[in-house]
Amino acid sequence: AQTVTQSQPEMSVQEAETVTLSCTYDTSESNYYLFWYKQPPSRQMILVIRQEAYKQQNATENRFSVNFQKAAKSFSLKISDSQLGDTAMYFCAFENRDDKIIFGKGTRLHILP
Amino acid sequence: KAGVTQTPRYLIKTRGQQVTLSCSPISGHRSVSWYQQTPGQGLQFLFEYFSETQRNKGNFPGRFSGRQFSNSRSEMNVSTLELGDSALYLCASTPGTGNGYTFGSGTRLTVV
Repeated sequence: AQTVTQSQPEMSVQEAETVTLSCTYDTSESNYYLFWYKQPPSRQMILVIRQEAYKQQNATENRFSVNFQKAAKSFSLKISDSQLGDTAMYFCAFENRDDKIIFGKGTRLHILP
Repeated sequence: KAGVTQTPRYLIKTRGQQVTLSCSPISGHRSVSWYQQTPGQGLQFLFEYFSETQRNKGNFPGRFSGRQFSNSRSEMNVSTLELGDSALYLCASTPGTGNGYTFGSGTRLTVV
């Protein structure tokens, strides 16, 4: 069974700094998708970024980028120039052909003024 | 374009009662999934429906059930409520594999 592990339950960084959230996963499949979701205190889950496993190039969305290491089964999220609005719970997620998305336990990120 | 709509937003029920939660996906999205979110367990997959058929099911007791209608709207039902069922129930829809989910705002269920 696929699993997703986020080893950092909670992190705090100063505004404008860069922060990296870690995620590892376990799967025997070669074709799958990885995602990072953000859940602010308002509780609305928002898709931040997605990565297709067969694409070598790391995905980027404005200040958000990933470091996808397929062999190591690692998928970290980097937030550059962090802003107060980035304060949220961040979930790493994995999807294979079954169309079922498995989520990690989440990392609570605090951006400090 | 309207997002995923979940109703009600908040619900308080008594142990032993049953509850029905509703989810309207984004127009054109035929896949609807349900998750239970609790502080201790994170996001736990309940089930996924596609074209009115349950395609995947999580590891929850039979008290948890769901269905999907021809217009893709979905409902989930929890019978004989227990205190441990108190959680945020999230519904999400997707147009297909790899596109990621769009989530609703969730239904906060409190069982007393």
